[in-house]
Amino acid sequence: SAVISQKPSRDICQRGTSLTIQCQVDSQVTMMFWYRQQPGQSLTLIATANQGSEATYESGFVIDKFPISRPNLTFSTLTVSNMSPEDSSIYLCSVEGTSGGAYKQYFGPGTRLTVL
Amino acid sequence: SQQGEEDPQALSIQEGENATMNCSYKTSINNLQWYRQNSGRGLVHLILIRSNEREKHSGRLRVTLDTSKKSSSLLITASRAADTASYFCATALSAQKLVFGQGTRLTINP
Repeated sequence: SAVISQKPSRDICQRGTSLTIQCQVDSQVTMMFWYRQQPGQSLTLIATANQGSEATYESGFVIDKFPISRPNLTFSTLTVSNMSPEDSSIYLCSVEGTSGGAYKQYFGPGTRLTVL
Repeated sequence: SQQGEEDPQALSIQEGENATMNCSYKTSINNLQWYRQNSGRGLVHLILIRSNEREKHSGRLRVTLDTSKKSSSLLITASRAADTASYFCATALSAQKLVFGQGTRLTINP
């Protein structure tokens, strides 16, 4: 299993500013995923980040709003740009793993973001 | 839109009782997975059931899968206070990509 850490664990930000969230994994992984979990809601995939290539964004998410970096096989960042109160959410990164040949995901502890 | 729908949205039971949560989905899947989330923290993988399996056990957890009805259930037996959490089903539509249900908030009362 993979151990994942995220920084910061929480933050309170002002409208119009940007926040960069870091995700560190204790082993090399090919794919990393970024999710958003709005208050009281389920997880929604923002994008998939592969090392050495541009992230693949899901419908409704764009690179200008959520730029992602993936400089190596153990690290990724997600930036939430020009924030508004609607961006208040928990942001989680995850990595793939396998169990009996089937894929599952290991999650970081999340970053709780509040935008005022 | 979300692939999975779970019911109930919230469940409150007494410690020691069994808790059953249900998940329905819309499209064909490779496998279905259940995750637990404590107090808005990261998710923990609980159990995975493949599309060709009907039932799977892991400790106090029992998962069933009915592909004809596109539904799954998670049973937690002999519940404990530490089981208080949100539980999400997630369907694997393809390798690596998971789609999560809305979740069930489970509260175990001492």
